[in-house]
Amino acid sequence: EAGVAQSPRYKIIEKRQSVAFWCNPISGHATLYWYQQILGQGPKLLIQFQNNGVVDDSQLPKDRFSAERLKGVDSTLKIQPAKLEDSAVYLCASSSPSLRLAGSYNEQFFGPGTRLTVL
Amino acid sequence: DAKTTQPTSMDCAEGRAANLPCNHSTISGNEYVYWYRQIHSQGPQYIIHGLKNNETNEMASLIITEDRKSSTLILPHATLRDTAVYYCIVRQFNDYKLSFGAGTTVTVRA
Repeated sequence: EAGVAQSPRYKIIEKRQSVAFWCNPISGHATLYWYQQILGQGPKLLIQFQNNGVVDDSQLPKDRFSAERLKGVDSTLKIQPAKLEDSAVYLCASSSPSLRLAGSYNEQFFGPGTRLTVL
Repeated sequence: DAKTTQPTSMDCAEGRAANLPCNHSTISGNEYVYWYRQIHSQGPQYIIHGLKNNETNEMASLIITEDRKSSTLILPHATLRDTAVYYCIVRQFNDYKLSFGAGTTVTVRA
């Protein structure tokens, strides 16, 4: 099966500019996640969607970050305006709780990420 | 979530077993131990998980101590492609959130 797709793979912008990332999860996966990974650190969850509804956005800097998943399939993450500290890899992941079997683990499948550099 | 402690880095010889330790002394009774790894320029990949019994799959084995305060991930025959950052995570089974620490950078050398 096709994996999680993300685009672009790389993006360089200047501070105060806007940027958007796109994610297409594995077909049929109801849950979608966006993570931020700063160099040398593990990924940090920004937002989690269940279908087109937000489950958890407690760590999303809402003054500059926004995300949507309007039709419950693909998703976009936007930063407006960008700051130097937003330089990171933005990872998208998906999982499918609707297919969970008793005792099974609903693993998250990650895309390759988008590397953002803010100058 | 309970926190984990892992060594920052470790080396392993190709073809030998790699044993990756993880301490999780504050783990609660309903929390599982999960392992993910992240190869350079890729997203994290699920490896294995367990509650209290030892687990094995095609990628690795997970050994959890009887008191559940620590665990070891074993890569039985490490290859150069196993070079990656390995993350040990504890969480409740039905909690979708993954809280990643800094992980262990494993370098497999020829």
